[in-house]
Amino acid sequence: DGGITQSPKYLFRKEGQNVTLSCEQNLNHDAMYWYRQDPGQGLRLIYYSQIVNDFQKGDIAEGYSVSREKKESFPLTVTSAQKNPTAFYLCASMFDTGGYGYTFGSGTRLTVV
Amino acid sequence: KQEVTQIPAALSVPEGENLVLNCSFTDSAIYNLQWFRQDPGKGLTSLLLIQSSQREQTSGRLNASLDKSSGRSTLYIAASQPGDSATYLCAGVKSGGGGNKLTFGTGTQLKVEL
Repeated sequence: DGGITQSPKYLFRKEGQNVTLSCEQNLNHDAMYWYRQDPGQGLRLIYYSQIVNDFQKGDIAEGYSVSREKKESFPLTVTSAQKNPTAFYLCASMFDTGGYGYTFGSGTRLTVV
Repeated sequence: KQEVTQIPAALSVPEGENLVLNCSFTDSAIYNLQWFRQDPGKGLTSLLLIQSSQREQTSGRLNASLDKSSGRSTLYIAASQPGDSATYLCAGVKSGGGGNKLTFGTGTQLKVEL
């Protein structure tokens, strides 16, 4: 079955550590996205990528980094520069034409300990 | 500034009731509108996508409409069931520098009671 796989489901980070969240899709979608969800604030866009080896900053990119070396994969690194990383992170993908809607993964819950 | 607004923020109804969730958007660049469902601690499940050339879409007990001229979309749920309890999110698709992007509302938390 086609879909988006995010791993791990739960992740704990110590202060000052970098952590990487995985996102893989087998839908042959062109574009991939990372969103952050906080209670009462809805989803906010962190980074997105329309094609391999290219990505754009979203509304809250500071403290995050991404790479897009393969069409299927779009990992997100939460760096130590991100001061409030505890949140629910969602990855999404879609065909670049935009006419077929977005598909989301099941999310990764990151907690700073 | 919230570009996509959802009203009400929370709603509790008895089983069997028909209900309407509202979504409004201020950005005229939004051309498609997608409705999602989110269960606690889970990802988003797509319910309906309304493209700019369409006025409504139906799937089972769900019907979503889009009026771009007024910047409004509604999600109608017929004969609600306890299994419909979840948060419902609407999101507008627009093009910008670098490609298409989704802008989300803050959601309506629905509880359907027995």
